[in-house]
Amino acid sequence: DGGITQSPKYLFRKEGQNVTLSCEQNLNHDAMYWYRQDPGQGLRLIYYSQIVNDFQKGDIAEGYSVSREKKESFPLTVTSAQKNPTAFYLCASRRTGGGNEQFFGPGTRLTVL
Amino acid sequence: GENVEQHPSTLSVQEGDSAVIKCTYSDSASNYFPWYKQELGKRPQLIIDIRSNVGEKKDQRIAVTLNKTAKHFSLHITETQPEDSAVYFCAASKDGSGNTGKLIFGQGTTLQVKP
Repeated sequence: DGGITQSPKYLFRKEGQNVTLSCEQNLNHDAMYWYRQDPGQGLRLIYYSQIVNDFQKGDIAEGYSVSREKKESFPLTVTSAQKNPTAFYLCASRRTGGGNEQFFGPGTRLTVL
Repeated sequence: GENVEQHPSTLSVQEGDSAVIKCTYSDSASNYFPWYKQELGKRPQLIIDIRSNVGEKKDQRIAVTLNKTAKHFSLHITETQPEDSAVYFCAASKDGSGNTGKLIFGQGTTLQVKP
């Protein structure tokens, strides 16, 4: 279903802990994205990567970090510096050079206890 | 900065009626406008998109119109069915060489179709 997987589906974190959300795709897409979704709001871009070993900050990057060591993988770390991390996190990927359709993963719901 | 405004935030229609959702964008260089449907707790899925060289596009009961001058685009759903009930998001981005594929999303519209 779209070739993008995210894990875990649900994640609970205590305050002060870092957590890492997984995103994997087998679509051979170059570009990958992380969005945050809060109730009543649209998707907001956290980080994106257009090629392996390169990534850029989105609109709300503070308190988050990413890596792109492999084309298939784009993990997101939510650090303790993120003051309000409870949200639904969506990963997406896109084939560059052929249009802008982004395919989304199933999402991870993060709750801070 | 780049911005997309979407209205209404909620929309309730009777089954069989039409539904219209409207978006405006701020960046006149935007040239790609997708619409996503998101059911509760699930991933957004692309339902239709339009590029700036086209004024209208239709796919069965769904159509999208674009007015570049007004920087405005709309989603039209005809003969609505209960399974159309979901949250709909519009988005805008700039396509072309060197583009990042960044999508700027509207705030979403919750559509409820009453049987």
